[in-house]
Amino acid sequence: QVQLVESGGGLVKPGGSLRLSCAASGFTLSDYYMSWIRQAPGKGLEWVSYIGRSTSYTNYADSVKGRFTISRDNARNSLYLQMNSLRAEDSAVYYCARVQVVTATPQYFDYWGQGTLVTVSS
Amino acid sequence: SYELTQPPSVSVSPGQTASITCSGDKLGDKYACWYQQKPGQSPVLIIYQDTKRPSGIPERFSGSNSGNTATLTISGTQSMDEADYYCQAWDSRNAFVFGTGTKVTVL
Repeated sequence: QVQLVESGGGLVKPGGSLRLSCAASGFTLSDYYMSWIRQAPGKGLEWVSYIGRSTSYTNYADSVKGRFTISRDNARNSLYLQMNSLRAEDSAVYYCARVQVVTATPQYFDYWGQGTLVTVSS
Repeated sequence: SYELTQPPSVSVSPGQTASITCSGDKLGDKYACWYQQKPGQSPVLIIYQDTKRPSGIPERFSGSNSGNTATLTISGTQSMDEADYYCQAWDSRNAFVFGTGTKVTVL
């Protein structure tokens, strides 16, 4: 069965860095676009970034552009999110999710991980 | 940027029908999907491509999308349906957009 397991969250000071990982199993990672989505405590869902099947295409929400970098290692069945220059407003549960593509356009997330909590505080 | 607006809350009696709207400019020209999120859990896809249900999702969940509004309908609502619901669409700026979320309370 499809499983996505995030790790790497924790407490970090403002301006610091953190690298999240997502281990995928039960499917061939290289066949899918993947994405990161976050949810601040008590708030709604916010899309963060997605990456194409290879590493050739990535896109980011304006709120993280220039600070976060998404990457993947299909051989290791892993997705990553490098987060730099972290701010208090980046505090959230970060989910990795598998993307379904319809007529060559990314459309929705069919599987989600359990999430990893990132807290940015001094 | 593209925005999707949902009512903050919807209340429904057990066995009755709950309707949750999701409004966005020309949303009917895009595909809409819906996620259910229970407290402390990850979101679960319940409707995709406007009307389709993933395997394992009960038939009481249905969706529609036309004009500027997508609607999630829960027929014969059960207490286990109490959750937050989010709509989502893909925007032409190459971005995923989530709705503001709706808390469904089964009274």
